[in-house]
Amino acid sequence: KNEVEQSPQNLTAQEGEFITINCSYSVGISALHWLQQHPGGGIVSLFMLSSGKKKHGRLIATINIQEKHSSLHITASHPRDSAVYICAVLRTGNQFYFGTGTSLTVIP
Amino acid sequence: NAGVMQNPRHLVRRRGQEARLRCSPMKGHSHVYWYRQLPEEGLKFMVYLQKENIIDESGMPKERFSAEFPKEGPSILRIQQVVRGDSAAYFCASSQGISPLHFGNGTRLTVT
Repeated sequence: KNEVEQSPQNLTAQEGEFITINCSYSVGISALHWLQQHPGGGIVSLFMLSSGKKKHGRLIATINIQEKHSSLHITASHPRDSAVYICAVLRTGNQFYFGTGTSLTVIP
Repeated sequence: NAGVMQNPRHLVRRRGQEARLRCSPMKGHSHVYWYRQLPEEGLKFMVYLQKENIIDESGMPKERFSAEFPKEGPSILRIQQVVRGDSAAYFCASSQGISPLHFGNGTRLTVT
């Protein structure tokens, strides 16, 4: 069993839709990252969270430490949001564990 | 302020050759992580290093793979006697403790 589980694995949405990607983890963590990977491209860190909620443009990330759960929301989705979104948790000892990613396709 | 620099971007090696992948972390970062992404798969942790120390190499194959992060210079991931199954994208990331993780653009290794 993976320490980090993401859902859904694949997601197709119409442009403008509100999107939610979920991440659950089973270990104690000091921080959680949401990463974005475009096809054939590099990986960008979108958020680092240890509690509460963060917002950047149309992206919102939340974390519930007690429930060991985080969500990434995209409002007013756009085709350029099409990418793989990866949840990564930082354990004590600075070890990162990754979810397998959610592949998002936004259709115009 | 340069980000994480990886080179080469693409590397082609024949079976049995050695591959050396380089990673220069962001300025001020002393934590370096190496990850491998096989085709159609997610990121898999390989090794975590701090300057001159390997902290966790639990994700590294026991043979042929080694990593270092010397006091001066980039971190190096070395793969000896490459095989076709080593073909993958190798990503390096750096951080400074609990800080945002910054990734390089990866090195795409192809073994022919």
